[in-house]
Amino acid sequence: GNSVTQMEGPVTLSEEAFLTINCTYTATGYPSLFWYVQYPGEGLQLLLKATKADDKGSNKGFEATYRKETTSFHLEKGSVQVSDSAVYFCALSDLGAGSYQLTFGKGTKLSVIP
Amino acid sequence: DTEVTQTPKHLVMGMTNKKSLKCEQHMGHRAMYWYKQKAKKPPELMFVYSYEKLSINESVPSRFSPECPNSSLLNLHLHALQPEDSALYLCASSQLTGTDYGYTFGSGTRLTVV
Repeated sequence: GNSVTQMEGPVTLSEEAFLTINCTYTATGYPSLFWYVQYPGEGLQLLLKATKADDKGSNKGFEATYRKETTSFHLEKGSVQVSDSAVYFCALSDLGAGSYQLTFGKGTKLSVIP
Repeated sequence: DTEVTQTPKHLVMGMTNKKSLKCEQHMGHRAMYWYKQKAKKPPELMFVYSYEKLSINESVPSRFSPECPNSSLLNLHLHALQPEDSALYLCASSQLTGTDYGYTFGSGTRLTVV
C-alpha cells in the first residue's frame, strides 16, 4: 500500500531562517504529491503539488521537487516568517490509478519566533 | 468559484441529538469526501462519493450517515454520537478525469459532542 513518512516536529525556527521538512513516500503506482498547510483552528489548504518526476511545485516562497529516484518530496523555504507557523502535511494520491485515497504523513508543526 | 464551503463552522450537540453537516462545491468536481481529524493527527478518510454514488465507506459507524443529493452537495447526518466523535470534520472534492488530481478542502466543522 501507499505510505508517507515526514519528519516529526515540532520544529522551531527564528524568523528568516531556512526551512526544510523532509518527506518520503512509498507508492505502488505513479502518485501525485502534495503539501498541505493547516493554520490553527482552520481546515487544510493546498500549499503546492507535483504530478510527475522532476516537477517542482512552488507557492508563497515554498518549494518542493518530486524526486522519483529517492521517492522524496522535501519542503523548503529560504526565509520563514512568523505567519508561516502552522502544521504542514505531506500527502500523496494515486487517482490516476483509480485510487481515491489521499495518504497523509503525520504532520510537522512549525513554530517561527520573532 | 474555487472553494469548498462547509456549514456550520462549529456545532455542539448532545448524544441524543440529530444534526447534519453540509458541504458545497461549484468546481464541477465529481468526487467528494468526508474526513475526520482529531487534534494533532492527520485527517482520516470516512467516505468517498464518486459521481454521486457512495464508493468508499471506511468502516465508519452507522451513527454517521452520508448523503450526496447532487454533484455539488454533500451532507453528513449525525445521530446518537459519542463524546469520542468530537473532532474537526473536513469535506473535500476532486476531479476524476484529466491530469490535475488536486483535492480542495473546506475549512471544516468543529464538532463537540456533550
